[in-house]
Amino acid sequence: DIQLTQSPSSVSASVGDRVTITCRASQGISNWLAWYQQKPGKAPKLLISAASSLQSGVPLRFSGSGSGTDFTLTISSLQPEDFATYYCQQANSSPLTFGGGTKVEIK
Amino acid sequence: EVQLVESGGGLVQPGGSLRLSCAASGFTFSSYYISWVRQAPGKGLEWVANIKDDGSDKYYVDSVKGRFTISRDNAKNSLYLQMNSLRAEDTAVYYCARVGFERAFDYWGQGTLVTVSS
Repeated sequence: DIQLTQSPSSVSASVGDRVTITCRASQGISNWLAWYQQKPGKAPKLLISAASSLQSGVPLRFSGSGSGTDFTLTISSLQPEDFATYYCQQANSSPLTFGGGTKVEIK
Repeated sequence: EVQLVESGGGLVQPGGSLRLSCAASGFTFSSYYISWVRQAPGKGLEWVANIKDDGSDKYYVDSVKGRFTISRDNAKNSLYLQMNSLRAEDTAVYYCARVGFERAFDYWGQGTLVTVSS
């Protein structure tokens, strides 16, 4: 099974800060990586697919990069509505797996 | 508008069974793989099972193989998860999610809570 390691597990940041979350795969997954945002009590929301494809309606301050084993999600200027937990997920092979999550908290 | 609506969750004793349903609308259901993804209370996301668009192929996480069965009825735009021999560790919110063209889960339902407890 492919393991995904996210770091950090939590980050405290202020509105306007640049935030970077990393996701490392235990083996190469090409660009088959997605990023999700989840707020308490809500279903996850897809932000980015195929490592860097921004979903329709997702603000341009979100961006994704990487391929192979190392990936990043960047929020260029954190907004109040961005405080949430973020997950990466690999779609290269079954079983599909998620990273452990990164909680973005208000500083 | 794409919608996925789960139902069927509830409280069940260990060893018991439960059948979850997911009603889909707003898209051509028969053209998409659909998955079940679960989230234990306070924990992260875990993919549970996938079913191919025509129902011919099914995939499961090891921890549910032999106990859970995913199925679909394309005529009714519905997805199902039959859960048998339930364990306390199966307690979670269960989401159905559509697998989009870049293999990501592009639409999710609101989830249904399954609690396994005596």
